[in-house]
Amino acid sequence: QSVLTQPPSASGTPGQRVTISCSGSDSKIGSNYVYWYQQLPGTAPKLLIYRNNQRPSGVPDRFSGSKSGTSASLAISGLRSEDEGDYYCVTWDDSLNYWVFGGGTKLTVL
Amino acid sequence: QVQLQQSGPGLVKPSQTLSLTCAISGDSVSNNNAAWHWIRQSPSRGLEWLGRTYYRSKWHTDYAVSVNSRISINPDTSKNQFSLQLSSVTPEDTAVYYCARDLSGGYLFDYWGQGTLVTISS
Repeated sequence: QSVLTQPPSASGTPGQRVTISCSGSDSKIGSNYVYWYQQLPGTAPKLLIYRNNQRPSGVPDRFSGSKSGTSASLAISGLRSEDEGDYYCVTWDDSLNYWVFGGGTKLTVL
Repeated sequence: QVQLQQSGPGLVKPSQTLSLTCAISGDSVSNNNAAWHWIRQSPSRGLEWLGRTYYRSKWHTDYAVSVNSRISINPDTSKNQFSLQLSSVTPEDTAVYYCARDLSGGYLFDYWGQGTLVTISS
C-alpha cells in the first residue's frame, strides 16, 4: 500500500483536460515539494513536474502541477494519444526520512 | 547529456546477494550538486525508493528503512559509477531496478537508467 494516494485510473478523449490527484499528510505533501513522473509502457519514468508546479525544459505546457495543503494535482490539457501511460507523484516523507511514491494512475486516452 | 547505463545479472538465487552497477556519463559521481539513487518497481510494491549516495565534502549514504539491514550503495570514483548490493534476497525482491540522479535546484530523479529486471528464483 503506497504512502501517497492516487486514483488507480483516469481517462479522457483527445483534446480534453484531465486531472490526477495525489493526497498525503502533513509530514509528506503538507511540508514538502511534490514531483510528478510519466511512465510510458516499457520505459523508465520521466520527470514531468518538479517543485509542485515547475516544468523541466522540453515538457510541454499542456502539463501543469499544483499543490494545496496535503494534496497535489497534475493537470493535462489538450489530451493526446501519446499521453497514455502511468503517472506517479513523489514527495519527501519527514517521518520516514526518505522519498515516497504514489501508487500510480493509469491514464487512458479513449 | 547525462546517461546512466545499468549492468548486472537478471537472475539471482534466494538468500544470495543482488549486485547492480550504474555507470555515469555526462556527469560525475562526485558532483557536489548531485545525488545518486536506486529505485525499484514491482507490481506488488509499486515504485519504491531504496537509497542514495552523494558527495558533500565527504561521502554520504541514506537507505530506506524497509531494506536498511540488507542494502549497500557505494560510489566508485575511478570508474565514475555507483553500485547497489542487496543481500539475503527473497522472491519479494523481484523487481525492475533503476538508478537515477537528482540535481540540486529541485531536479529530482531527472535522469534514469534503462532499468534491470532482476528475478529472484532458484
